[in-house]
Amino acid sequence: KNEVEQSPQNLTAQEGEFITINCSYSVGISALHWLQQHPGGGIVSLFMLSSGKKKHGRLIATINIQEKHSSLHITASHPRDSAVYICAVLYSGGGADGLTFGKGTHLIIQP
Amino acid sequence: DAGVIQSPRHEVTEMGQEVTLRCKPISGHNSLFWYRQTMMRGLELLIYFNNNVPIDDSGMPEDRFSAKMPNASFSTLKIQPSEPRDSAVYFCASSWDRNTEAFFGQGTRLTVV
Repeated sequence: KNEVEQSPQNLTAQEGEFITINCSYSVGISALHWLQQHPGGGIVSLFMLSSGKKKHGRLIATINIQEKHSSLHITASHPRDSAVYICAVLYSGGGADGLTFGKGTHLIIQP
Repeated sequence: DAGVIQSPRHEVTEMGQEVTLRCKPISGHNSLFWYRQTMMRGLELLIYFNNNVPIDDSGMPEDRFSAKMPNASFSTLKIQPSEPRDSAVYFCASSWDRNTEAFFGQGTRLTVV
């Protein structure tokens, strides 16, 4: 089974800290997504990557295709960043045509 | 565009009843996905449509689940008969194609008692 592993599962940090969430996967992919799910339950797409690095405001996502690994960074973290961050991949070979998801990282930023 | 619209937002039903969840994708998107989220299993793909045609339904749990997309602007996910273990949040998402950014609806929280 193609797995998507995220770490850490839970992370509590102080406002202003630099945050890193990691994601690894087992086989070749055509794209990797980072999603944000707030306590209200809605899911928002933050990034879609197939190589390199993307930046949006205080959020940075990187991917290393050779190592099958991606990271999501949050600079100058703020309590409003508190949410569940989910890594999801689209496999390039056979298998499911939709996204395969990690279990998520529950982030709490304390003021 | 208002984004992906799902209805209802919440549904409580008794075991054995039929449940129908609805989704209106973003206009122009050719791909539509139904996902289910539970505490135990997280998010899982149920079915993927491309141009209204079901392409991958390998995630549909069993024959009690069925999904249709009669046209480009509407899809349904039906559970008949419903069981308590079907309780979950069901998300619909759409995208231009499977290789582009996915936009999620707000989800339908289903509780089967």
